[in-house]
Amino acid sequence: DQQVKQNSPSLSVQEGRISILNCDYTNSMFDYFLWYKKYPAEGPTFLISISSIKDKNEDGRFTVFLNKSAKHLSLHIVPSQPGDSAVYFCAASPGGVRRAGNMLTFGGGTRLMVKP
Amino acid sequence: DVKVTQSSRYLVKRTGEKVFLECVQDMDHENMFWYRQDPGLGLRLIYFSYDVKMKEKGDIPEGYSVSREKKERFSLILESASTNQTSMYLCASSLPPVDTQYFGPGTRLTVL
Repeated sequence: DQQVKQNSPSLSVQEGRISILNCDYTNSMFDYFLWYKKYPAEGPTFLISISSIKDKNEDGRFTVFLNKSAKHLSLHIVPSQPGDSAVYFCAASPGGVRRAGNMLTFGGGTRLMVKP
Repeated sequence: DVKVTQSSRYLVKRTGEKVFLECVQDMDHENMFWYRQDPGLGLRLIYFSYDVKMKEKGDIPEGYSVSREKKERFSLILESASTNQTSMYLCASSLPPVDTQYFGPGTRLTVL
């Protein structure tokens, strides 16, 4: 059973408009969430993260929103640019600090296409 | 800047061959990870190492083994490659307690 789900496999947006990518999770122990961006034939690159003590984190054009009661997070990209076209993965990590760190659980990814 | 490198970008092997995938990170990170990425399935964790010679199984360890003899290097071994191991393999590293992982460019493995 997938603990982190991205229900939209793809999303198409016009350049300059807002892109909203969604992610749902089922494990209430998750308390740290990340978004990664992946271009074809490259490894994922870290984009932005949010801790469960916050409900919003912003970095330039990228904002992540967390709704803990709904177990839902979203990534907003405003304004969208053609260079944002990539696959976006959300990931989640459980609570507590272990000496060994925590493993991430990834969603299936959403392919974003930004049209000029 | 964190740098994670993988030994090959593309690899073609035959069924039954032994395959070694190598990963090196230059940031003194304690944790290293091997994932495979398949369409619609996201990234699935194969193995995880939190220290030299230490390893933990991830979600899909069957058919794989790992080796970590030095802190900066983490190897993934396919003892006898099979066609269902055709995939993109991604290595990552992190420095606990921060969970952000940094990825290498990936190895596209095709098993014929």
